[in-house]
Amino acid sequence: GAVVSQHPSWVICKSGTSVKIECRSLDFQATTMFWYRQFPKQSLMLMATSNEGSKATYEQGVEKDKFLINHASLTLSTLTVTSAHPEDSSFYICSVEDPFSYEQYFGPGTRLTVT
Amino acid sequence: GENVEQHPSTLSVQEGDSAVIKCTYSDSASNYFPWYKQELGKGPQLIIDIRSNVGEKKDQRIAVTLNKTAKHFSLHITETQPEDSAVYFCAASILTGNQFYFGTGTSLTVIP
Repeated sequence: GAVVSQHPSWVICKSGTSVKIECRSLDFQATTMFWYRQFPKQSLMLMATSNEGSKATYEQGVEKDKFLINHASLTLSTLTVTSAHPEDSSFYICSVEDPFSYEQYFGPGTRLTVT
Repeated sequence: GENVEQHPSTLSVQEGDSAVIKCTYSDSASNYFPWYKQELGKGPQLIIDIRSNVGEKKDQRIAVTLNKTAKHFSLHITETQPEDSAVYFCAASILTGNQFYFGTGTSLTVIP
């Protein structure tokens, strides 16, 4: 499968600060990347679809001004959690879409803890 | 939209036995059904997938079956090993760049 990296793997921040998470596609150029959120012992919840060169498409209920997504290149998408609060603490996972097969490959995830 | 249901939510088997996880989907237009394995603290890893033009696919100890008429697909793991212990997610998608709809996950424990 394709290799996807995320950075950082875990981060602790104070309430009110912003945190940026990077997702990199290492094996191919990805026009489309996805950002998911996962709570303990729950399934993956799609937050937004990140499209290179255009605005991200957010799922219903996800605040676009709070979760800023930038897909500036075909190998990098970033998710910035702005003015983080304890309820934003979660496991954030990105995936990249293979442009030929449309299969999705996931990154290792980023554990965010807001204190 | 698509709705994917997954059963059971937890499954314990003795090492060497088989494990079966079942999923159903609602949208007859879905044509791609991947299975992911997620270990604690890690991202999901694609372990096998099947497309709607195939009824069964096998990769060593792992197999997936698809019944398009009944709209259900299953993951079969034979000769289970302790390292198979993880959470498994099924998903359904219309494979043209659309989103994946995930099941709720099955926590598999293989008892040595």
